[in-house]
Amino acid sequence: KQEVTQIPAALSVPEGENLVLNCSFTDSAIYNLQWFRQDPGKGLTSLLLIQSSQREQTSGRLNASLDKSSGRSTLYIAASQPGDSATYLCAVPTTDSWGKFQFGAGTQVVVTP
Amino acid sequence: EAQVTQNPRYLITVTGKKLTVTCSQNMNHEYMSWYRQDPGLGLRQIYYSMNVEVTDKGDVPEGYKVSRKEKRNFPLILESPSPNQTSLYFCASSSLTGSNQPQHFGDGTRLSIL
Repeated sequence: KQEVTQIPAALSVPEGENLVLNCSFTDSAIYNLQWFRQDPGKGLTSLLLIQSSQREQTSGRLNASLDKSSGRSTLYIAASQPGDSATYLCAVPTTDSWGKFQFGAGTQVVVTP
Repeated sequence: EAQVTQNPRYLITVTGKKLTVTCSQNMNHEYMSWYRQDPGLGLRQIYYSMNVEVTDKGDVPEGYKVSRKEKRNFPLILESPSPNQTSLYFCASSSLTGSNQPQHFGDGTRLSIL
């Protein structure tokens, strides 16, 4: 069964520092990997989706890389701002059924002014 | 505005009283899914649907039912709710047209079963 792990569980950085968030998965035969942001009491907002054939995807200050062979994805957020404070989750479809998804537990990020 | 709408947003009810949480999307998405989120356990998938009249179990389907009679709606039914179903529930949808479409989430429904 696909297992998705996010370490660390929590992270605090001063404003302006770059953020590096990690996502590991056990089965490298993934179709894609999606990164989400969740604000307290809110739903998930899709940030980036990397297809299995891609090595990275960029949107503004966000850059996500994917290394299927090592079972890792990294989300980089450049020049962090207090508004980046949220929980960040990654998710992959399972290999036995496209419609099933496994989520990581998330990394809670606090950016201090 | 493209959105996934869940109702109600909050509900406190008692054990055994049947309830339905509705989910509707206006993006003509084929795929819809229900998740529950619990502290320490993360997001876990309950049921999903690849299209009208096509549903399948996720990791934690016990105690839940779903139906997909129309493309836009995917209600979650708790026939006899129990306290262990107290949780934050999310509905999500995505297109299956083309490859690798992202999931869009509703704002969540907080259920408390006493």
